[in-house]
Amino acid sequence: QKEVEQNSGPLSVPEGAIASLNCTYSDRGSQSFFWYRQYSGKSPELIMSIYSNGDKEDGRFTAQLNKASQYVSLLIRDSQPSDSATYLCAVSAQNTGNQFYFGTGTSLTVIP
Amino acid sequence: DAGVTQSPTHLIKTRGQQVTLRCSPKSGHDTVSWYQQALGQGPQFIFQYYEEEERQRGNFPDRFSGHQFPNYSSELNVNALLLGDSALYLCASSWILGNTEAFFGQGTRLTVV
Repeated sequence: QKEVEQNSGPLSVPEGAIASLNCTYSDRGSQSFFWYRQYSGKSPELIMSIYSNGDKEDGRFTAQLNKASQYVSLLIRDSQPSDSATYLCAVSAQNTGNQFYFGTGTSLTVIP
Repeated sequence: DAGVTQSPTHLIKTRGQQVTLRCSPKSGHDTVSWYQQALGQGPQFIFQYYEEEERQRGNFPDRFSGHQFPNYSSELNVNALLLGDSALYLCASSWILGNTEAFFGQGTRLTVV
């Protein structure tokens, strides 16, 4: 059973702070890693993808991947109230046809 | 450039009925995957279609079936609906030769009563 684990939260941070979201996965064959943002009642929106160990930055978002530890994280700098959402971690592997395995998501609230 | 579109957005069905959900992938994408998302859970993979064939299937019963058309659009059919089938159904499109990024449509909220 391929599992993706996330702390369900809720995680609350003040506006302007750094929000740190974490995800672990069980399948060492996983090759692609994604963070999706999902507002209540809406569909997931892709915000970051990462494929190799290290950091990947895109604006206020930084994804970090450590395949040896089977760990991927998302940092949101200068958090804004509009960042309040559920963040889903997803992993996929070529040997499973690139189907995504999702965690249950972490609920983030940014307090003005 | 149109993104992934799904129809209908909301649907109410009675137990035992059948339902068909539709998805048009993002322009340039050739692969469609379907996911079921229950309240408070992450999306669960149902199946994936490429070249009009089912390539991968998750742990869902045969009541769930699908189809992909030559224009890459896809349908998800669910027969003999159960109350537990109530969920948000998501279609994700991607390009088989791409970097595996997948983009979701707005989803169809199915309520079975």
